[in-house]
Amino acid sequence: SQTIHQWPATLVQPVGSPLSLECTVEGTSNPNLYWYRQAAGRGLQLLFYSVGIGQISSEVPQNLSASRPQDRQFILSSKKLLLSDSGFYLCAWSVRSAHSGNTIYFGEGSWLTVV
Amino acid sequence: DAKTTQPPSMDCAEGRAANLPCNHSTISGNEYVYWYRQIHSQGPQYIIHGLKNNETNEMASLIITEDRKSSTLILPHATLRDTAVYYCIVRVPRGYGGSQGNLIFGKGTKLSVKP
Repeated sequence: SQTIHQWPATLVQPVGSPLSLECTVEGTSNPNLYWYRQAAGRGLQLLFYSVGIGQISSEVPQNLSASRPQDRQFILSSKKLLLSDSGFYLCAWSVRSAHSGNTIYFGEGSWLTVV
Repeated sequence: DAKTTQPPSMDCAEGRAANLPCNHSTISGNEYVYWYRQIHSQGPQYIIHGLKNNETNEMASLIITEDRKSSTLILPHATLRDTAVYYCIVRVPRGYGGSQGNLIFGKGTKLSVKP
């Protein structure tokens, strides 16, 4: 069966410091990969998605970047964190298929607090 | 993607069926209804989805009205572990390409299962 893992689960970072969140998917090949952010009491905002190695699409302008160095690895980064980057970050995956009913599955999430 | 309307909260007695309603009156013909739930501090968990027919899996049943303007998620025998925020989403599940990952999570329904 497929599994998705992201880490670290929680981190507290000072303003201006770098960020690296990692995500890996097991049990599937060529997945679509996503990074979301969930601010407190609000819905999910899609930040980045990727349909293949090195292919990254950004949904919103921001202080963050994403990379996909391997098929099942997705990394969320920042060179200098802002206070507004605090939030709950979720990695997700879906099958890359032309079929309908394509479901998105989420990781455990990473809580980032920028101080 | 169409928007959804859910009651902000519901209570359910342990062992009883929990029926969570969702209105999606502006749903279009190619949009699916998805249900996720989120326990505090965890990533959203996929529950079930459907297009027009009723669906059932090991977690829940999904009843979609004939006009597809509303649906009900049924947890047949709620347990304390089912206490969570339940999100109803409508989306076109594009297999690949495009801005396909956007999940417009509203505020959901906070289900409290009580002993």
